[in-house]
Amino acid sequence: KAGVTQTPRYLIKTRGQQVTLSCSPISGHRSVSWYQQTPGQGLQFLFEYFSETQRNKGNFPGRFSGRQFSNSRSEMNVSTLELGDSALYLCASTTRQGEETQYFGPGTRLLVL
Amino acid sequence: GENVEQHPSTLSVQEGDSAVIKCTYSDSASNYFPWYKQELGKGPQLIIDIRSNVGEKKDQRIAVTLNKTAKHFSLHITETQPEDSAVYFCAASQGGSYIPTFGRGTSLIVHP
Repeated sequence: KAGVTQTPRYLIKTRGQQVTLSCSPISGHRSVSWYQQTPGQGLQFLFEYFSETQRNKGNFPGRFSGRQFSNSRSEMNVSTLELGDSALYLCASTTRQGEETQYFGPGTRLLVL
Repeated sequence: GENVEQHPSTLSVQEGDSAVIKCTYSDSASNYFPWYKQELGKGPQLIIDIRSNVGEKKDQRIAVTLNKTAKHFSLHITETQPEDSAVYFCAASQGGSYIPTFGRGTSLIVHP
């Protein structure tokens, strides 16, 4: 069974731009969560989607948003990029909402210049 | 909210030695404690987990212990090998409405 895939793997943007990241969960998994990983803050929860609805949200500004499609694929968007948004963005999927065991993708490395 | 402290931040051992990583949590309602291993260029991968109704769990060279009273849990790796070198994360969460809180990570270096 294929794992969680994320595209693109690497991205370079400039301040003020916006970016969209994509995540395809493991086949059959319906819940997708997004995390931001930085050396300074570690792994921080962004949001979780289940059946196209945002179920949980972490403590991030409104510039960070996401959505989930009917095939469970998910995208996250960051608008008006800031230097501090440079991070590894990880997507994780589970078979159902609230299941604790998460399966992570390889991440998208975003660099904001 | 939940707060998870993880120590040490870096751990250097010789091949064959044991390694222990410790985490403490603050929310007594947390009942699920996974450990993840993250290798360079990859996302975290679950290596073992434990629930609050169990005190210890083993899987070959890896074991996790949980002390609910003291609110701490530990990862034990025996007979370490160079391929164990990675960053290890602990996490704590409540089942159901799952928003995990991660520790800051431990960089384990196993010298051949």
